[in-house]
Amino acid sequence: GENVEQHPSTLSVQEGDSAVIKCTYSDSASNYFPWYKQELGKRPQLIIDIRSNVGEKKDQRIAVTLNKTAKHFSLHITETQPEDSAVYFCAASNPQAGTALIFGKGTTLSVSS
Amino acid sequence: DAGVIQSPRHEVTEMGQEVTLRCKPISGHDYLFWYRQTMMRGLELLIYFNNNVPIDDSGMPEDRFSAKMPNASFSTLKIQPSEPRDSAVYFCASSFTGVELFFGSGTQLSVL
Repeated sequence: GENVEQHPSTLSVQEGDSAVIKCTYSDSASNYFPWYKQELGKRPQLIIDIRSNVGEKKDQRIAVTLNKTAKHFSLHITETQPEDSAVYFCAASNPQAGTALIFGKGTTLSVSS
Repeated sequence: DAGVIQSPRHEVTEMGQEVTLRCKPISGHDYLFWYRQTMMRGLELLIYFNNNVPIDDSGMPEDRFSAKMPNASFSTLKIQPSEPRDSAVYFCASSFTGVELFFGSGTQLSVL
């Protein structure tokens, strides 16, 4: 089955800096890669996703990149703000094959002002 | 829509007791997932249903865990007997397409 590794487990940055979180996956059949954000005490929520036919996707201050050959994908947050502080989870699946999302263990991002 | 509704929000029980967690998915969503969250293991998939049918239960830890979905608007996750290592936050999530997941608020389970 799919296995998703996520690094780093914790990340501390100053407000305004960039943050990068990296994930690798094991199943070459996976073709859908979302990122979820979980604020303290809250539920995880989808913030951005990418599919295997796309190499990069941007949405304002966040972007995701995908390297299918190397089987890794990354989340980039620019101009970080204190409200970006949360746990971020990457995940992978093949929806067409009926596989559910398998999540990485999460990255706790702390943005200090 | 009120979103995915889970109950109870918190459950404290003693080892050996039966625990039942409940979930009401978003109306019209055909997929329902149960995940368990711990610090050590992150978000683990336990089981998921499509149109009330269990599709993948390979994540269910052992026979002490069971899940049912008797209809499109209700699912339960039961642990019997419960053990301290079952302490975690249990999330239910639903999806219309099986792609984007909408999570409930979770049930914080503590087994003493």
